Order: sequence, then structure tokens, then C-alpha cells
Amino acid sequence: GAVVSQHPSRVICKSGTSVKIECRSLDFQATTMFWYRQFPKQSLMLMATSNEGSKATYEQGVEKDKFLINHASLTLSTLTVTSAHPEDSSFYICSAIGRNSPLHFGNGTRLTVT
Amino acid sequence: DQQVKQNSPSLSVQEGRISILNCDYTNSMFDYFLWYKKYPAEGPTFLISISSIKDKNEDGRFTVFLNKSAKHLSLHIVPSQPGDSAVYFCAAREQGGSEKLVFGKGTKLTVNP
Repeated sequence: GAVVSQHPSRVICKSGTSVKIECRSLDFQATTMFWYRQFPKQSLMLMATSNEGSKATYEQGVEKDKFLINHASLTLSTLTVTSAHPEDSSFYICSAIGRNSPLHFGNGTRLTVT
Repeated sequence: DQQVKQNSPSLSVQEGRISILNCDYTNSMFDYFLWYKKYPAEGPTFLISISSIKDKNEDGRFTVFLNKSAKHLSLHIVPSQPGDSAVYFCAAREQGGSEKLVFGKGTKLTVNP
């Protein structure tokens, strides 16, 4: 069964609204979580690295004020896409790793901004 | 600039034959390589990995070969099965203990019955 749960799997929102995506580690404590974005026929692009209790580290070119990441506990990280625009439409995937757990991916969230 | 390259976007093989998926990298700081398998609308699942101190790692039907001098690795699946049809991503990790992975664009494998 899934060890990393990502919710929602699909979301459609209007331009200008904000969307929150949750990533939970189900049976291990995730010391680090990663957020990726994938465009069609492209590779998974790392957006940010999130450590529990500290600020996320964003990759170059990723707007931290637009993609808010919160890693509030050892089992939950959230990505909030603020003031979404159609160009933010993409497939967002999280992954999590723990001290005694290898890297596991969530099933992804398909975001469509209309 | 793509640090991990999978130059074949797709590959089609017959059931029972060997599938060979290729991956090239440019960053000499990579010391650990992984292959992930991804079905549509799902996250990637780990398949097999290899450390840069090895040149081969085998797990059942899956074997990964690493040629450090050529900065090239390949995944061999033999015999291929229809259930192996998926997108395969090559990923690499830099030295230093970070878990950050750099992914290739993926190769879509189709195994025909």
C-alpha cells in the first residue's frame, strides 16, 4: 500500500485563487519532503526541499512567495499555490524520506487552473 | 541544461525479449543512480539503484549497468513482460548525503504481448 499519501489527486481552480496540496507519510516519520513539478513529457523538476520545523529550501527560479511550503510535522507537508494562473497548471508530486525509510513518492496532484 | 538525459522518449519490445533503457549524465559529482517506474496518474516507484563504486547491480529481471568513464547507465529488463509497460525515469544524486534527485525526462516502454 501507499506509504506517502498526496491529496487531492486532482483539483481544478479559477485563476487568482489559492490551492493547497497535502503530502503525508503514512507509516514513517519524514525528516525531509521534496516537492516536484512535472510538465507533459518532461522530467520531474525539483521545486523545493522541506525539513520538519524549518523553512523550505527553494530551487533556483521557483518563487517562494507563490509556492508556499509548510512542513509542520514529521508526517505532513503542504504546498500552497497562491494566486494561481493557468501557467501553474501542472502535475505536482511530493516525496518523503525518513531516517530508516527510503525515498517514497506520492501519487501526484493534477492541478488545472482555468 | 539537462544533467540527466534519456534520449529515447519511447521504446517498444516484444514480450519475452530484452528491454534496454539508456541514460547519460553530465555531472561528475553524481555518485548514486536510481531507476523509477511510473504508471499514468501515479507517483514514481523505486525499481533499482546503483552506487558509483559498482558497475552492475542485479535484482531479479532487472539489471542496471554503470559505465562511469562514459557517464552512462542502462537498465536491462529480461524477459520483458506486458506489465512492465510504463515510463521509466533515470535519476541521479550528488555526493554529500543530500537526498535531492535529478531526473531524466523518462522513456516510455511498451511491451507487446
